Amino acid sequence: DIQMTQSPSSLSASVGDRITITCQASQDIDNDLNWYQQKPGQAPKLLIYGASTLETGVPSRFTGSGSGTDFTFTISSLQPEDIATYYCQQYDSLPDTFGQGTKLEIK
Amino acid sequence: QVQLVESGGGVVQPGRSLRLSCAASGFPFSSYVMQWVRQAPGKGLEWVAVIWYDGTDERYADYVKGRFTISRDNFRNTLYLQMGSLRAEDTAVYYCATRDRYCSGSSCYSSIGSTTIHSWGQGTLVTVSS
Repeated sequence: DIQMTQSPSSLSASVGDRITITCQASQDIDNDLNWYQQKPGQAPKLLIYGASTLETGVPSRFTGSGSGTDFTFTISSLQPEDIATYYCQQYDSLPDTFGQGTKLEIK
Repeated sequence: QVQLVESGGGVVQPGRSLRLSCAASGFPFSSYVMQWVRQAPGKGLEWVAVIWYDGTDERYADYVKGRFTISRDNFRNTLYLQMGSLRAEDTAVYYCATRDRYCSGSSCYSSIGSTTIHSWGQGTLVTVSS
């Protein structure tokens, strides 16, 4: 199975900060990577697919980049409503695997 | 709008069975690959199973293979997960979701819908406990 190593596991930042989360795959997954946002008590929400394509309706402050084994997720200017846990997921080959999650908090 | 509504969760004893349902609306269900993903309380996301748009191919995570069966009724626009020989470690919120495609080995299986749909249901909680 492909292992996804996501970091950091938690992050505390201020409103307006630029934040970055990384995800590393244990083997080449091309650009077959999703980024999800999950708020407490809610289902995950897809933000980015294909490593860098913004899902319809998602604010442009969310971006993704990378290919192969190394991927980055960025929020350009953190907003209070961005408080959530973020997950990466590879779907290059089954079984899909997820990163451990990054819990984002406001300072 | 696209809507996925799971049902069938509850408390069940170890070793027993349970069937989850996912009612789909707002999109051509019969054209899309569907999957189940679960999340144990306080834990991360874990992929469970996937089924091709017409039901002729299905794949499972090793930890449920032989115990769980994914199926679909394209006339009723409903996805199912039949869960058997349940264990305490199967306790989780189970989500159904659409997906574009999946690949296993050298074979890839894609949705045939004309638009990209990424949607998840709200989840249903399964608790396995005596």
